[in-house]
Amino acid sequence: EDKVVQSPLSLVVHEGDTVTLNCSYEVTNFRSLLWYKQEKKAPTFLFMLTSSGIEKKSGRLSSILDKKELFSILNITATQTGDSAIYLCAVEEEYGNKLVFGAGTILRVKS
Amino acid sequence: GAVVSQHPSRVICKSGTSVKIECRSLDFQATTMFWYRQFPKQSLMLMATSNEGSKATYEQGVEKDKFLINHASLTLSTLTVTSAHPEDSSFYICSARRPAGGYTFGSGTRLTVV
Repeated sequence: EDKVVQSPLSLVVHEGDTVTLNCSYEVTNFRSLLWYKQEKKAPTFLFMLTSSGIEKKSGRLSSILDKKELFSILNITATQTGDSAIYLCAVEEEYGNKLVFGAGTILRVKS
Repeated sequence: GAVVSQHPSRVICKSGTSVKIECRSLDFQATTMFWYRQFPKQSLMLMATSNEGSKATYEQGVEKDKFLINHASLTLSTLTVTSAHPEDSSFYICSARRPAGGYTFGSGTRLTVV
């Protein structure tokens, strides 16, 4: 059975800290790994990763995928209170066209 | 581009009644849409995959007769929660796969059954 495991489940940091969120997966026929940020409503897209070792960056956020170790990390530098959210990792299967989500990491950034 | 509109955003209904939630792809055709359920501070749980013109595929443990899915056109999928009970209260989110890849989510529906 396909599985996506995120860690930690929750995290509290102070503004300015750097955080690393982890996502490991076991999926048959891997197509891509996606990171989403969810505040109050729908998840908003952050990154889609398909190739190992290529870092994707967007402002203070970056992410990288290791297809050999079946692992991805999401880094947030110089955290701000607006980064407080649930961060979801999902893996897309090659066939079936669906996403398998991890449990999410609840991040709280204190001012 | 690739916007998914979900309606209503919030609904309160009485126990035993049915509630319909709509999910529309506004600027693209979605042959497949997905329905998720999310409990507070938890992740999204896939309930079913909605296929245009054919029967939905339900995940294990999801009651087909309870959560009716209809995908009658390339831009509209509906989820009807039948004979709702308080334990059905949850946040329901739809998503669609974009033609260029990736997924877009609706804004979600907060269902409260009283």
